[in-house]
Amino acid sequence: DSGVTQTPKHLITATGQRVTLRCSPRSGDLSVYWYQQSLDQGLQFLIQYYNGEERAKGNILERFSAQQFPDLHSELNLSSLELGDSALYFCASKAGNTIYFGEGSWLTVV
Amino acid sequence: DQQVKQNSPSLSVQEGRISILNCDYTNSMFDYFLWYKKYPAEGPTFLISISSIKDKNEDGRFTVFLNKSAKHLSLHIVPSQPGDSAVYFCAASALFTSGTYKYIFGTGTRLKVLA
Repeated sequence: DSGVTQTPKHLITATGQRVTLRCSPRSGDLSVYWYQQSLDQGLQFLIQYYNGEERAKGNILERFSAQQFPDLHSELNLSSLELGDSALYFCASKAGNTIYFGEGSWLTVV
Repeated sequence: DQQVKQNSPSLSVQEGRISILNCDYTNSMFDYFLWYKKYPAEGPTFLISISSIKDKNEDGRFTVFLNKSAKHLSLHIVPSQPGDSAVYFCAASALFTSGTYKYIFGTGTRLKVLA
C-alpha cells in the first residue's frame, strides 16, 4: 500500500460526458502528479501540483483540467470525453526524490 | 521526443537466472533515476533508485547500475523469480525551470520469468 488513494477505481461513461477523478496523496506529501496510461503504453505525464499551485504541465489536453485543494487532495476533470480517453489514470505523490503511485482509476468511454 | 527509452518491449528469463532490463536517456540534466514494477490493473510500485552521483545501488535481489557517460542505466534482478513477472518502467527526473521536479517514464519492459 503506497498510501496514495484514488477513487473511483473503475468508471464507465459515454462519449461527450464529464468525469472527475479524485486523489488523496500520502500524509504529509505536498506534491501530486497525474499520469495517463493508455492500452499498455507508457506513463504519460499530465500535470503536477504543489501545495495547491500548478507547477508543471505535460501532455494534458485542453478538455482536461485539475486542481489541488487546501486539504491537498487533487481532482482531475475530464470533459467532452472521447473513446480515445479510455485509459488508466494514476496520481502520485512525492516524498524526497521518489514519487509513489496510487492504484489508478480505470476509465472506459463507450 | 522520447527522453527516456526502454528499447526492449519484452524479456523472458528462466527462474533463478539473472534478468537485465535496460534504459537509455537523452537529457543530461536528469539527476535521479528510478525503477518501478507494475502488475496489470495496479499502480506502479517503486523498486529502487539511484542518484547521478553514484554508479551502483543495491537492494536485495535488485541492483541498478548507472553509466552517465553513456546515458544508460540497467536493472539487474538476481535470482529471478516467477513473482518478478511484471512490466518494469524506468524513470528519470530533473529540476525544471518551473522549479519543480518532473519525472519522465520509459515505455516499459514486460519481464516474464519462466518456472
